[in-house]
This record gives sequence, C-alpha cells and structure tokens, in this order.
Amino acid sequence: KAGVTQTPRYLIKTRGQQVTLSCSPISGHRSVSWYQQTPGQGLQFLFEYFSETQRNKGNFPGRFSGRQFSNSRSEMNVSTLELGDSALYLCATSPRGGDTQYFGPGTRLTVL
Amino acid sequence: QKEVEQNSGPLSVPEGAIASLNCTYSDRGSQSFFWYRQYSGKSPELIMFIYSNGDKEDGRFTAQLNKASQYVSLLIRDSQPSDSATYLCAVSNTDKLIFGTGTRLQVFP
Repeated sequence: KAGVTQTPRYLIKTRGQQVTLSCSPISGHRSVSWYQQTPGQGLQFLFEYFSETQRNKGNFPGRFSGRQFSNSRSEMNVSTLELGDSALYLCATSPRGGDTQYFGPGTRLTVL
Repeated sequence: QKEVEQNSGPLSVPEGAIASLNCTYSDRGSQSFFWYRQYSGKSPELIMFIYSNGDKEDGRFTAQLNKASQYVSLLIRDSQPSDSATYLCAVSNTDKLIFGTGTRLQVFP
C-alpha cells in the first residue's frame, strides 16, 4: 500500500498570505488528522476529519480550517499568515480514528 | 493535569544500555496505547502498540502497560546511537489519539 502523501513538502510565504496544504491518506483510511509542530514543541492537534465531517477540533484560531473530500483526501488552509505559523504541518491517517495513525512526511511552512 | 504526560528529557544512556521511557495518562477508559519515534526534522513513525496489561516485545523494544496505574512504558534494550530520537506516547480516546509531548533520548557511544 502506498503511504500517506503530503503536498507540497516545502512552502515559503509572506505574512498576510494564505496557504493550502494537501494530504492523501492510505487507501481505506477515512480519518485524517492534522498537527502543527514547531521547533522543540510537541504535536499540537489542529483537527480531525472523518467521512467529510470535522469530528474533533483543537485549540487553534479560525484562521486554520480544513475540509475532506469524498475520496478521503484532506486539505487544510491557513489564512492571513503570521510569522508564528512557521512550522512543520503533519497529517496522520487511520481507518476509523482512535486507532493506529500513520503520518505523512509533512509540509514545512516558512512565513517571512 | 495533561491527558498524556511524558518527561521531556533528555534521557542520556550509554550505548548497549537499556533505555526506559515512561508515560502516564489520565483517562481510565483508554483502550489503546502507542509509541512513536521521531527523528529531528522527520515525521513520527510507529514503533509499537499495546492493548492489554503486561508486556509486549518486538525485537529490542518492549512495551509495558499497567492500566491500574495508568502507566505505559517503552524499554529499548542494547541501545544504539541510531536510537537517539524523540519518543512520543499516544493514547486512544474513543475516536482520536492524544499525544504526549515526547521524551528526547540520547544514546552516546
């Protein structure tokens, strides 16, 4: 089985811009979770989608949003970028959520 | 109280020693427990999962679960410098995983 893929792998934006990141899950996985990780920090949970519905949400501002398509692929969007949004963004997928998650390689976002 | 707690480390052990990584969790109803390894700049990769009380061994790795004490640990035998990484504990809470902040392990030659 192909693993979790994330695109793009690297992204450089400037403050105030918006960005869209994509995650394609392992075949058969319907749950997609998104995490933010900054240097020296643990995984900060953003949100989880299951069957095109946001099922769980972390404590991030409304500038962070996401969606999931019928083929389980997911996108997350960050609007009005701030310097503090520079981070590694990881998605992780699982068949149902609450079970073993498999991570993609991540998208490294730099905001200048 | 955090839902999943880990000592941030670093835990420094000499090559060939046993590294012991610990994790406590707050939700008594948690059913599944996972250990992930994350190298610097990379994404986490699954090492092991455990569902039942007791020990589960896989090569040099042993996961230990004690639900009564709400405690899960990971032992790494014959530690190698290549084991130097951050180890994340994750606990299943119905439909999501809750991650600890990770313990950084350093194995020195």
